[in-house]
Amino acid sequence: GAGVSQSPSNKVTEKGKDVELRCDPISGHTALYWYRQSLGQGLEFLIYFQGNSAPDKSGLPSDRFSAERTGGSVSTLTIQRTQQEDSAVYLCASSLEGRHQETQYFGPGTRLLVL
Amino acid sequence: DQQVKQNSPSLSVQEGRISILNCDYTNSMFDYFLWYKKYPAEGPTFLISISSIKDKNEDGRFTVFLNKSAKHLSLHIVPSQPGDSAVYFCAASDAGTASKLTFGTGTRLQVTL
Repeated sequence: GAGVSQSPSNKVTEKGKDVELRCDPISGHTALYWYRQSLGQGLEFLIYFQGNSAPDKSGLPSDRFSAERTGGSVSTLTIQRTQQEDSAVYLCASSLEGRHQETQYFGPGTRLLVL
Repeated sequence: DQQVKQNSPSLSVQEGRISILNCDYTNSMFDYFLWYKKYPAEGPTFLISISSIKDKNEDGRFTVFLNKSAKHLSLHIVPSQPGDSAVYFCAASDAGTASKLTFGTGTRLQVTL
């Protein structure tokens, strides 16, 4: 029984470059979430997918951030023209149906460092 | 605007004693609360939750207490074990924005021998 997986585990990039972060949710989970944790901060919600649709994008910090999900499974978070303040751990979570009070299961995260 | 607050960044407890981790919230719409545990280089792992219709939920060594009038919850770990050393995050959600969790900044618990 595989859990949520994310790749890469670590990413170092130069300011101004684009990066793509990948998330593979638990098989059969229709809901997928992206969060990020900046240094010394709690987890901050970015976006929620139900199937391939994103009914809640309210946490995306700027238009440099985008995400998609294909086939109701894998999701990619893209950050364009990265800035140093984008450095953080990006965490993906999935849940069975995205209902209220449903447990979200997290992946190990991608540690992004923008130089 | 920090809607979920964990005011103690760290806590040290001796093995076998009780660990009490605290969490305060400001949004009265929150009706479901969770605790997650996080080891270094791993994702958060769900620990225990409580609905606002209850004031206590227990699971083995872990008990969560909710005081709605004070907008305060706490996690009790009894007895504490060295393997409990981790960062603990409090999180909350409300039915109106069911898709997302709002997290506190975490409390690092160290259980010493």
